[in-house]
Amino acid sequence: QSVLTQPPSVSGAPGQRVTISCTGSSSNIGAGYDVHWYQQLPATAPKLLISVNNNRPSGVPDRFSGSKSGASASLAISGLQGDDEAEYYCQSYDSSLTAWVFGGGTRLTVL
Amino acid sequence: EVQLLESGGGLAQPGGSLRLSCAVSGFTFSNYPMTWVRQAPGKGLEWVSGIRDFHNHTYYADSVRGRFTISRDNSKNTLYLDMNSLRAEDTAVYYCAKVTVTHTWFFDLWGRGTLVTVSS
Repeated sequence: QSVLTQPPSVSGAPGQRVTISCTGSSSNIGAGYDVHWYQQLPATAPKLLISVNNNRPSGVPDRFSGSKSGASASLAISGLQGDDEAEYYCQSYDSSLTAWVFGGGTRLTVL
Repeated sequence: EVQLLESGGGLAQPGGSLRLSCAVSGFTFSNYPMTWVRQAPGKGLEWVSGIRDFHNHTYYADSVRGRFTISRDNSKNTLYLDMNSLRAEDTAVYYCAKVTVTHTWFFDLWGRGTLVTVSS
């Protein structure tokens, strides 16, 4: 059971927009700690996708965006493409665990 | 070119030990905290351990505290993870990652990982 809760899967057709939620608590996201997002393509290492809630590293398309409100955060992907099919993870810090924590991951399927 | 290259994975018996290494190039290793993250087969990501760039403060997940030791050699641009008292549940791909510090840590560069299998 992950400290940060993500839906196991989401799907959308090419060109559509999908969102992936990441729900935390008062000891992590709700305490004001930043949320970061990673993309893991099949059989590859994770890659930083969004940092500090809504910042895209160089090379990440602006189709990807992040937001945070209260104890939750969301990753939005617009203009879905086939190569967006991947596992997506949120990450933050938890002050009760004194540990960096990940969500359980969400598998995105492009229909 | 930035590169993080893990090595040292393999098969270990329950109760055994392994030492993982992560050789870094392409950025000033000594200026950044570093971390290990693992992924059990078919499972999600789990943060394992981290080490500061200065004064070598170390941090561990409860699942490995007392069994694993993280260290770094800034003269060799290398990060280590000494794993003792290994258990079947330690079986995973272990990734090293570079840390960027803001209000919290995030992991902006990752290696390709090294597989650790704990089995008799």
